[in-house]
This record gives sequence, C-alpha cells and structure tokens, in this order.
Amino acid sequence: QSALTQPPSASASPGQSVTISCTGTSRDVGGYNYVSWYQQHPGKAPKLIIYEVSKRPSGVPDRFSGSKSGNTASLTVSGLQAEDEADYFCSSYAVSNNLVFGAGTKVTVL
Amino acid sequence: QVQLQQWGAGLLKPSETLSLTCAVYGGSFSGHYWSWIRQPPGKGLEWIAEINHSGRTHYNPSLKSRVSISIDTSKNQFSLNLRSVTAADTAVYFCARGGSTPMVFTYWGQGTLVTVSS
Repeated sequence: QSALTQPPSASASPGQSVTISCTGTSRDVGGYNYVSWYQQHPGKAPKLIIYEVSKRPSGVPDRFSGSKSGNTASLTVSGLQAEDEADYFCSSYAVSNNLVFGAGTKVTVL
Repeated sequence: QVQLQQWGAGLLKPSETLSLTCAVYGGSFSGHYWSWIRQPPGKGLEWIAEINHSGRTHYNPSLKSRVSISIDTSKNQFSLNLRSVTAADTAVYFCARGGSTPMVFTYWGQGTLVTVSS
C-alpha cells in the first residue's frame, strides 16, 4: 500500500485539462514543500516533470503545473496531447529523511 | 550528459541476496545523493535508500533491516544489497541521481527487472 493516495485513472480529450490529486499527511505532503511529479511511459524510467510543488525542470512544457493545499498536492496537465498519455506518480519528502510515492495515476487521452 | 548504467542478477531464489550496481558517467559524482528505487510489475514506485560521496546513508524504514547501500568513489559507482529476498521483492529496480532538492530525481538508470522465484 502506497503512502500517498492518487486516483487510479483520469482521462480527458485532446486540448482539455486533467488534474490529478495526491493526498498525504502532515508528515509528508503537508509538512514540506518537496512534492515532485513524475511521468512514466510503458517500459521507460520515470521522468521528472514537477519538483518543489510547482517548479518545472528545463525542457518540461508549461502545460504541466503543480500546486498544493494542506495535505493534498495536485498536478494539472493543460492542453492535453496524445503524448501525455502515461502514468503519473507523485512523491514527497517525509519525516526522518524518508521519501514516499503515490501508487500512480494512468492518464488516458480520449 | 549524465548517464546511469546499472547491472545485476535478474533471477534469484527466495532467501538469496539481491545485488545491483550503478555506474555514473558524466556530471559531478561527489555533489549528489544517489538512490535506489523499485517498482513491482504494474505497481507504483518505492524508494529504497540513498547515499552520498561521503558514505552518508538514508534508508526506507520498511526495508532498512534488509538493505545496505554502498559507494565506490574511485569508480563512480554505487551498489545495493537486499538480503533474504522473497517474491514480494520482484520488481524493476532503478538507480537515480538526487538533485539539490532532497530526493528529486532527474537522472535515472535504465532499470533492471529482478525476479524472485523458486
């Protein structure tokens, strides 16, 4: 059982937006601004798309945005494209130098 | 360009020890933490442990009793040992480089599928 709770699936049509939630506790998501999001295509290593709640690494389109309120973080993908169909995982730094992940959300582009 | 290349045995029997090594090419080796992360087939990610060039380590509490991580700065490599494996340890294991933000991974190895079966 993963430490962070994500919906198993989400979907939207091309051009629309999809938002994925990631719920933890005050010992992880709520206690630190160290939430990250990763995109993973089948058979590939995860790719970092958001770190420190809302920052984007160089090269990641600004269609990807992150936010946090209390113990819940969110990832929004705007202007959905076919190549955005993938699994998305959140992670958070947690107390005592630990790291926890969510179980992942499969995003389908309809 | 930073590249992580990993290797190790892909098939183990229950109670054996999993051993994986990750070699780092390019970039700074001493300025980062280096982690192991695993992903059971069709499931989510699980962070296992990290180590820096000084040998300072942090472990996932749920695996700490069976895990050891080590580093060889002369070869720019780091390794993972997981003792007493069971079928529940079957997963793709990734090595990854931490960044300036704690436990954020920009560079990943290609992944190694480790299957535990009698």
